[in-house]
Amino acid sequence: GAGVSQSPSNKVTEKGKDVELRCDPISGHTALYWYRQSLGQGLEFLIYFQGNSAPDKSGLPSDRFSAERTGGSVSTLTIQRTQQEDSAVYLCASSLAGGSTGELFFGEGSRLTVL
Amino acid sequence: LAKTTQPISMDSYEGQEVNITCSHNNIATNDYITWYQQFPSQGPRFIIQGYKTKVTNEVASLFIPADRKSSTLSLPRVSLSDTAVYYCLVGDMAANAGKSTFGDGTTLTVKP
Repeated sequence: GAGVSQSPSNKVTEKGKDVELRCDPISGHTALYWYRQSLGQGLEFLIYFQGNSAPDKSGLPSDRFSAERTGGSVSTLTIQRTQQEDSAVYLCASSLAGGSTGELFFGEGSRLTVL
Repeated sequence: LAKTTQPISMDSYEGQEVNITCSHNNIATNDYITWYQQFPSQGPRFIIQGYKTKVTNEVASLFIPADRKSSTLSLPRVSLSDTAVYYCLVGDMAANAGKSTFGDGTTLTVKP
């Protein structure tokens, strides 16, 4: 596709269940970022990938959160034993080279609701 | 960590020029300043990026003073469709993505 694709667009789950969120970046983009946005709030950095490696995982809020990227393309963010405070929109972005400059291209996000 | 501060909200009228300022007192030497626009239920969209002085593209201008402790996004002749949240992002996305902070955003409301 032409843009960053995220799935599912909406996910409702029960507290304690695991969820997987998927991001398909723009073809050829080596850098991939995950952010979290709570209702009415700004963007909170979670993790950054350059290729398949994650040089910066500093934003993952707890060990319930993990992410991987395979083949330098698709990334999956996994939240284990979800809690109500995990409810938010999870945004993925990619950029061409992951340099200091460069435009981030965002997907439309995956809205997670934990009941 | 370059903490950023923006006004929470601004109102304007169609056809006016809007200036939104972001303060970033702790900006580092390698940090760039980037502005994004976000509409409801969408991901942010790139507007403009700069390092120092002035940058202009087809939709906006970005003014950065010599000390780089602030930056001003200028939107000429806004229309109703410019109603959105505007974020400044300050950082080095390669070396310190986790410390590249988005501001809390400025909600711009353009009135007819």
